[in-house]
Amino acid sequence: AQSVAQPEDQVNVAEGNPLTVKCTYSVSGNPYLFWYVQYPNRGLQFLLKYITGDNLVKGSYGFEAEFNKSQTSFHLKKPSALVSDSALYFCAVRDSGAGSYQLTFGKGTKLSVIP
Amino acid sequence: GAGVSQSPSNKVTEKGKDVELRCDPISGHTALYWYRQSLGQGLEFLIYFQGNSAPDKSGLPSDRFSAERTGGSVSTLTIQRTQQEDSAVYLCASSLDLADYTQYFGPGTRLTVL
Repeated sequence: AQSVAQPEDQVNVAEGNPLTVKCTYSVSGNPYLFWYVQYPNRGLQFLLKYITGDNLVKGSYGFEAEFNKSQTSFHLKKPSALVSDSALYFCAVRDSGAGSYQLTFGKGTKLSVIP
Repeated sequence: GAGVSQSPSNKVTEKGKDVELRCDPISGHTALYWYRQSLGQGLEFLIYFQGNSAPDKSGLPSDRFSAERTGGSVSTLTIQRTQQEDSAVYLCASSLDLADYTQYFGPGTRLTVL
């Protein structure tokens, strides 16, 4: 079974400061990892993914994430937060094992960037 | 280009009624997925299609839920005899095919069962 944990329900950060949203995962095979963002009353918007290769992946809007296999983590980061980054962030995993195409999501982390 | 579209955006129904939710995937995407987002359960996988076939129905919460896809494009999720616990946002996503890792989501249908 695959699972994702986002240990923080909410993260507050001052505008201009670096931000980190944490994610850990559990899969039986190799993980495919994703971050999505959700703005109020909107669907999920894809930010970035890790499939294979370089552990540091860069995505939309200046976000990046680092895959750490030994810690089974995939934390989302941004060097300088914007007020417009305030939203709900979801980490998701898909097991690379054959026949598993569904995404399993974490509970989400609400990011608030304070002006 | 156009993204995933879903209709209606909001649906209010009475307990016991049937509802149909529609998803129109990105043009050319052969894989389509349904998820449910609720306060208590977070984001849950319901079902996926490759073409018109649904090989994995394990996420459907009960036999009141069904989904179909015709012509390899539009999909309909049907909930029969709706219950209050069915109230949620139903999200549809599509990808180029099952081997394409990235799923693109629609805006969702907010279902409220009174």
